[in-house]
Amino acid sequence: GAGVSQSPSNKVTEKGKDVELRCDPISGHTALYWYRQSLGQGLEFLIYFQGNSAPDKSGLPSDRFSAERTGGSVSTLTIQRTQQEDSAVYLCASSYADSPLHFGNGTRLTVT
Amino acid sequence: GESVGLHLPTLSVQEGDNSIINCAYSNSASDYFIWYKQESGKGPQFIIDIRSNMDKRQGQRVTVLLNKTVKHLSLQIAATQPGDSAVYFCAERDTGRRALTFGSGTRLQVQP
Repeated sequence: GAGVSQSPSNKVTEKGKDVELRCDPISGHTALYWYRQSLGQGLEFLIYFQGNSAPDKSGLPSDRFSAERTGGSVSTLTIQRTQQEDSAVYLCASSYADSPLHFGNGTRLTVT
Repeated sequence: GESVGLHLPTLSVQEGDNSIINCAYSNSASDYFIWYKQESGKGPQFIIDIRSNMDKRQGQRVTVLLNKTVKHLSLQIAATQPGDSAVYFCAERDTGRRALTFGSGTRLQVQP
């Protein structure tokens, strides 16, 4: 079946602009995760959604970052007033129960 | 996903040899461990996982070993192939939360 889909695949934006990144998880997966991967780094946890529970936002680096998940499916990660240090690949993953996380191919964000 | 890391530890092996990639973790409360493979421009791909009540698990050409005493995890790849060239990440999960914490990665280069 279809995997995790992320859009856009690449996004170039000017410093100070807002951006929205979209994630379509695998159908039926109840958990959704956002991670960030900077050049040469591992994956940094940002936020986690599980069903109708309150999201775990403990990884969001600042209040410029927010995310929502509508209808228990699609998720949008929003970065307000982007800064150059926000440049990274933003990865979304989904899972069902205790199954391994399945990742999308990410959105490469470049802030100029 | 971005997997190009200028300063990642690199393991270089000959095609057909066995590879061993190591990972140390620090959280005694971690109860689940997982290995991912990431090729350039793609998101991490699940390889194999293991729970803390086990010390070894085998898959197709891969074996994961867990030593909880010294908090060490390893991935063994048998008969390494050029297609195995990628960056490999270990990840762990704490019993108290759902999100995975990732290591910094190891680049595997397979020489033909």
